[in-house]
Amino acid sequence: GIQVEQSPPDLILQEGANSTLRCNFSDSVNNLQWFHQNPWGQLINLFYIPSGTKQNGRLSATTVATERYSLLYISSSQTTDSGVYFCAVRGDMRFGAGTRLTVKP
Amino acid sequence: NAGVTQTPKFQVLKTGQSMTLQCAQDMNHNSMYWYRQDPGMGLRLIYYSASEGTTDKGEVPNGYNVSRLNKREFSLRLESAAPSQTSVYFCASSYYGGPQHFGDGTRLSIL
Repeated sequence: GIQVEQSPPDLILQEGANSTLRCNFSDSVNNLQWFHQNPWGQLINLFYIPSGTKQNGRLSATTVATERYSLLYISSSQTTDSGVYFCAVRGDMRFGAGTRLTVKP
Repeated sequence: NAGVTQTPKFQVLKTGQSMTLQCAQDMNHNSMYWYRQDPGMGLRLIYYSASEGTTDKGEVPNGYNVSRLNKREFSLRLESAAPSQTSVYFCASSYYGGPQHFGDGTRLSIL
């Protein structure tokens, strides 16, 4: 099946810093989704982004399907951004292992 | 605006007991999914139902059965629970190929 790799596995930031999370996948996909799992375990949809670029406030995402990767940008990070960020490719419904983000005040 | 509702939220079972996890969605979605999440890992697909009346195996189906009761409800059954099935179980739904929406999860411990 398709392989999904996320990097970095862990990321620690000071509040206000910017960050880029990466998701690589091993085969072509027809859609891709980014999620935030908050400290209470809830999965929050961030972006449904099979290709192109989308922005929502301080967050934006870019998927380059032909090169098999997606990037999630977080600007001006806040402590509430802490948690685990997952990408999932829907062709085979595979999740990456996630990036654990800790934002310190 | 409940979205995806899972019951129960927590459950402790003894090895060999059976249990059914319930999931209901009120978004008129056609597709529903069951995942498990083990510590430090991403979600893995157990079973899914692309539409009412159909179910298909995912990545880790062994030890589980599912029933798509109607368009709203999709249940997951453990016939003889094993400690390896201790996990957090998530149900999700989507409208055809669109984004998936998740419930809050069921934390299941098997002793």
